[in-house]
Amino acid sequence: AQTVTQSQPEMSVQEAETVTLSCTYDTSESDYYLFWYKQPPSRQMILVIRQEAYKQQNATENRFSVNFQKAAKSFSLKISDSQLGDAAMYFCAYRSARPGDDMRFGAGTRLTVKP
Amino acid sequence: DTEVTQTPKHLVMGMTNKKSLKCEQHMGHRAMYWYKQKAKKPPELMFVYSYEKLSINESVPSRFSPECPNSSLLNLHLHALQPEDSALYLCASSQDRGTLSGANVLTFGAGSRLTVL
Repeated sequence: AQTVTQSQPEMSVQEAETVTLSCTYDTSESDYYLFWYKQPPSRQMILVIRQEAYKQQNATENRFSVNFQKAAKSFSLKISDSQLGDAAMYFCAYRSARPGDDMRFGAGTRLTVKP
Repeated sequence: DTEVTQTPKHLVMGMTNKKSLKCEQHMGHRAMYWYKQKAKKPPELMFVYSYEKLSINESVPSRFSPECPNSSLLNLHLHALQPEDSALYLCASSQDRGTLSGANVLTFGAGSRLTVL
């Protein structure tokens, strides 16, 4: 069974600094997708970034980038130039490429941004 | 339109009430999902509809009854709930549940906060 592990329940970063959130996963599949979702206090889950397992290049979206290590089954999120609006719960998620498979979420990391 | 709209935002109900949560999307997505989320926990999958047919029911109690009247609408009917059912209920949609890249991205609504007294 696929599992997603986020080992950091809480993280804190100073505004304008960089922070890295960790995620590891366990799967026997070779083709899959990985995601980071953000859930601010407004409650809506927002897709931050997505990585296809078959792509070696790490995904980047503006200040957000990932370090995808397929062999190590690691998928960390780096937030550069942190802003107050980045404060939220961050969920790492996995979905295999098999039709009908559903997304599996990690336990989440609560990120606090200090002014 | 790239949104999933959920109503109501907040709902308070007694254990004998019957109420419904509604979800709507106009992105042409053919898969729709209900998730339950407790505080400080990840979302837990409840139901999945694919092309208006129920394809996943994750052993959810019968006091929760989903309905998909058409490809844009998803309802969750609530009856005889328990206080432990109080949670945030999230609706999501995806292009479908196939192998296309777009099938793998979930678009979420803002949720309905349910309190059962």
